[in-house]
Formats: sequence, structure tokens, C-alpha cells
Amino acid sequence: AQRVTQPEKLLSVFKGAPVELKCNYSYSGSPELFWYVQYSRQRLQLLLRHISRESIKGFTADLNKGETSFHLKKPFAQEEDSAMYYCALSGLGNYGQNFVFGPGTRLSVLP
Amino acid sequence: DTGVSQNPRHKITKRGQNVTFRCDPISEHNRLYWYRQTLGQGPEFLTYFQNEAQLEKSRLLSDRFSAERPKGSFSTLEIQRTEQGDSAMYLCATKGGNWNEAFFGQGTRLTVV
Repeated sequence: AQRVTQPEKLLSVFKGAPVELKCNYSYSGSPELFWYVQYSRQRLQLLLRHISRESIKGFTADLNKGETSFHLKKPFAQEEDSAMYYCALSGLGNYGQNFVFGPGTRLSVLP
Repeated sequence: DTGVSQNPRHKITKRGQNVTFRCDPISEHNRLYWYRQTLGQGPEFLTYFQNEAQLEKSRLLSDRFSAERPKGSFSTLEIQRTEQGDSAMYLCATKGGNWNEAFFGQGTRLTVV
């Protein structure tokens, strides 16, 4: 069964500190992993996807198939990074390629 | 705003009433999804359309729920005989072309009293 876990409901860090939001998944095939972010009063939006291997707003995430993880990292957190972060999995070849989302982690960056 | 549009943004209804939500996708996005999100949880998949065809439904979609996308453009989600447990944020998302990125609407927040 497809499943995404995010162990931390809330993560608080000080501005300038490194941040890592954890994501683990279970899937029997070859999944595509994403991070979505939701800023206050805004809609869910894509932050990054593992296929692109890019850095967005200073965030990076590496897919580790051995550990079935896709942790989100940023070396120096900014106050504007405060938001809800959702890790999501889309099964390649799944009919419709719908997403399975984790429960989310609220990141709070303190001044 | 040329993104995914959902109406209404908020809906308060009495238990037992029927409600209908609408989603207008990004133009030419042929894939449309409905999700439900409750407090403290991530979005949960409800159903999927490719053009006008409803191709996948979650077990979460009880027989009180029905979704349509009659012309392959906008979609509606109807809940009949609402229950308090239906209170949630209902999200619509669409995808186009070969990209697997989903674009989300603002959602409709349903409160059943």
C-alpha cells in the first residue's frame, strides 16, 4: 500500500538555523516524490519534485530509495519559510497518478 | 486569476441537506482530481476525471457523494444527506499535458451543523 509519513507535526527553528523536514514513504514500485507548501491563507503549491533535482527557495530534497525517504532541507531558514509542508507520492504508472499526501509538518521560523 | 477556481469558498449547511461544489480547472487541463482534507491531515484522494470520464474513485467516496465533469471542463461534487463527519476542506486539483504537477484550487470549506 502507498503511504507517506511525516513524523513531526510542528517544527520550530530560529532564523538562520538549518532545517530538515522528514518524509518517509512506502510504495512497491517506482514513485515520484514531491514537496508541496501552503503559506498562510494561500493554496497548496508545488515546492519541488525529486525528478527535477532542483533547489527552490533554497530548499533541496534527495530521494533515498534505500531508506525510502525524501527529506526536505534548507541550510539557513528564513521567517518567510513559515508554512505547512506536505510530502506527497505519485505512483508512476498508477491509473490517474493521483497523489498520496503525508499529514504535513508546520514549520515555524522564529526571529 | 487563471488558476484553479473553486466555489463557494465556504459553505455552512444543516445536517441532512444536500450541497454542491464547483471546480473550474486551468484551461486545457484534462485531468481533474477531488481531495478532502480534515484538520491535521493531508489531502485525501476522492476521485479522478480524465476529460469527462470518471476513471477512479476512492473508497472514501460513499454513495452519498457524486461527482461529474459533463463537458470535460468544470466539475461538480455533490454530497447528499450531509453528516457532521463530512465537515472538511474539499480541494480540487488539475494537471495538464505530460506534467505530473498538480495545481490546486483554494478549496471549499464545508461545515455541517
